[in-house]
Amino acid sequence: ETGVTQTPRHLVMGMTNKKSLKCEQHLGHNAMYWYKQSAKKPLELMFVYNFKEQTENNSVPSRFSPECPNSSHLFLHLHTLQPEDSALYLCASSQEVAGGKTDTQYFGPGTRLTVL
Amino acid sequence: AQSVTQLGSHVSVSEGALVLLRCNYSSSVPPYLFWYVQYPNQGLQLLLKYTSAATLVKGINGFEAEFKKSETSFHLTNPSAHMSDAAEYFCAVRGSGGSNYKLTFGKGTLLTVNP
Repeated sequence: ETGVTQTPRHLVMGMTNKKSLKCEQHLGHNAMYWYKQSAKKPLELMFVYNFKEQTENNSVPSRFSPECPNSSHLFLHLHTLQPEDSALYLCASSQEVAGGKTDTQYFGPGTRLTVL
Repeated sequence: AQSVTQLGSHVSVSEGALVLLRCNYSSSVPPYLFWYVQYPNQGLQLLLKYTSAATLVKGINGFEAEFKKSETSFHLTNPSAHMSDAAEYFCAVRGSGGSNYKLTFGKGTLLTVNP
């Protein structure tokens, strides 16, 4: 497996369900990101983990909970979601050098989430 | 602060014709600029990037973009469209500072290629 992988690719859940999205990067990067892509809107950055520490939470509702157990894996735990949370959720990774240059973000294929 | 404006949410060209997708940016620091492509039901794939080296950047599949500081533009071109180029294209900007990793995306331009 190469690049950035995401599972599942498609997910349908009810508003009372709890589910998790998984992202794994095989690029040796040390920063990982969650984005939300809704129709007709720009990509929205949700969370950033740099060196396994969360460095940004872009005013995301608490029903979304990220977890980064190591630099290769990133999870997004979902609970009591709303229909408006239906979107494509993209994971990305990059190599960041503290105080130095930053590198390109590489994206996974996304998880298409539908909340009923 | 930084922002990206992509003029035209939908561009339609004939196969073999020139493709021009427009991107204007604003940034308070020297920018890094990116073009990503998204094929149906897939994630974003990097086409090309500008990181303060040559102002004319060549990417994959015959695409290139030119950084014009005076016009704050980074338009994407391809001299000859192929059916396989049909996709959505996103321009993105980030600051060039070491800790400024946040990418700001435009709303995207959907490219349709007609036979």
